[in-house]
Amino acid sequence: NAGVTQTPKFQVLKTGQSMTLQCAQDMNHEYMSWYRQDPGMGLRLIHYSVGAGITDQGEVPNGYNVSRSTTEDFPLRLLSAAPSQTSVYFCASSYSARFYSQTQYFGPGTRLLVL
Amino acid sequence: GIQVEQSPPDLILQEGANSTLRCNFSDSVNNLQWFHQNPWGQLINLFYIPSGTKQNGRLSATTVATERYSLLYISSSQTTDSGVYFCAVEYNNNDMRFGAGTRLTVKP
Repeated sequence: NAGVTQTPKFQVLKTGQSMTLQCAQDMNHEYMSWYRQDPGMGLRLIHYSVGAGITDQGEVPNGYNVSRSTTEDFPLRLLSAAPSQTSVYFCASSYSARFYSQTQYFGPGTRLLVL
Repeated sequence: GIQVEQSPPDLILQEGANSTLRCNFSDSVNNLQWFHQNPWGQLINLFYIPSGTKQNGRLSATTVATERYSLLYISSSQTTDSGVYFCAVEYNNNDMRFGAGTRLTVKP
């Protein structure tokens, strides 16, 4: 198993540009989520999905869109990048939609710089 | 919303020393996990521990849900234990909230 993979590893954008951060898992996990990590802070939940076709907002959803058309993939879209979205983005997955019952597996992260 | 506070923010130890990291949370939570982020940024789950005590090698964790805190114990620390330790709580079904972390440096 490759586990949770994220692409790209690094990205530089100009303000106003759009892009999609890719996340894929090959463990047949129901639950997938996106976080951002800013310096000196813990991770903050952006969006999550409890299964294909189902998504919901986390703590900081503004400026981001997600979709879950397959179990394996959970892309995160920035429609119009802003400097405040400069961060490290992590994707995570777990077997069950119930957080409590399962270990969360994290991808390696994507470093995004918005100029 | 819920507040998750970790202490201390920074901790420097000599190899072989023991340490206790604390996580306080301001409201009832469904569950709690501890994570380690290594110096290369990779996040690894250490414990899922909504209540009670668990041990895994040199690490153990205790959560007292009624008093809204959790403790992570590291014994006989090694340089490979360095990194940032986060606690995260499940709040309002599937909504995870992380603390700001404790940065641990273990010196040889």
